[in-house]
Amino acid sequence: EVQLVESGGSVVRPGGSVRLSCAASGFTFDDFAMSWVRQVPGKGLEWVSCISWSGDSADYADSVKGRFTISRDNAKNSLYLQMNSLRAEDTALYHCASHGGTCHANFDYWGQGILVTVSS
Amino acid sequence: QSVLTQPFSASGTPGQRVTISCSGSSSNIGSKNVNWYQLIPGTAPKLLIFSDIHRPSGVPDRFSGSKSGTSASLAISGLRSEDEADYYCAAWDDSLNAWAFGGGTRLTVL
Repeated sequence: EVQLVESGGSVVRPGGSVRLSCAASGFTFDDFAMSWVRQVPGKGLEWVSCISWSGDSADYADSVKGRFTISRDNAKNSLYLQMNSLRAEDTALYHCASHGGTCHANFDYWGQGILVTVSS
Repeated sequence: QSVLTQPFSASGTPGQRVTISCSGSSSNIGSKNVNWYQLIPGTAPKLLIFSDIHRPSGVPDRFSGSKSGTSASLAISGLRSEDEADYYCAAWDDSLNAWAFGGGTRLTVL
């Protein structure tokens, strides 16, 4: 059974930083691209970032470019999101998701998400 | 404002057929695969339809997808109470170089 479990969410002040982790199991992690997708409470889904299976390339939404960094450790079956210079509008439930291939393939499996709250 | 446009809500009675639309443009739906997801609070989002019309194993055949031009649709037949959820369409957008989502449709089973 595929499992994606996020951790690292917290309450952080504007301008602060937080690092999210996603532990993957039940599939061959290093065969697939991985993404972070967020959901603002009461609103819709927004794709944040994607990283290739090898970790050699990554894409970011314009709203987070230059502030967030996605990475992965295939030896640990883990995905990460380093979030810096946080803003109130970054408050959301952050899901990690596996792709069916590259970053352009559908999101196959999702985690339940972890809440990040940016507030003074 | 979402790149893909969905109705805010939809409803139906048990056993009915409901359709949810998703409208986009030539840079996303018009040239890329559309995927549909089901979101139930407290659970992980679930892939319902990929590549416009295909169902992953385990998804009931009551769920079906279609696409024409720059619009796509999700149909749910034989509506059941457990289908009450939020449904989202998604497609890669070549102009944005990013994934585009619809705003989501809240389905209520009356």
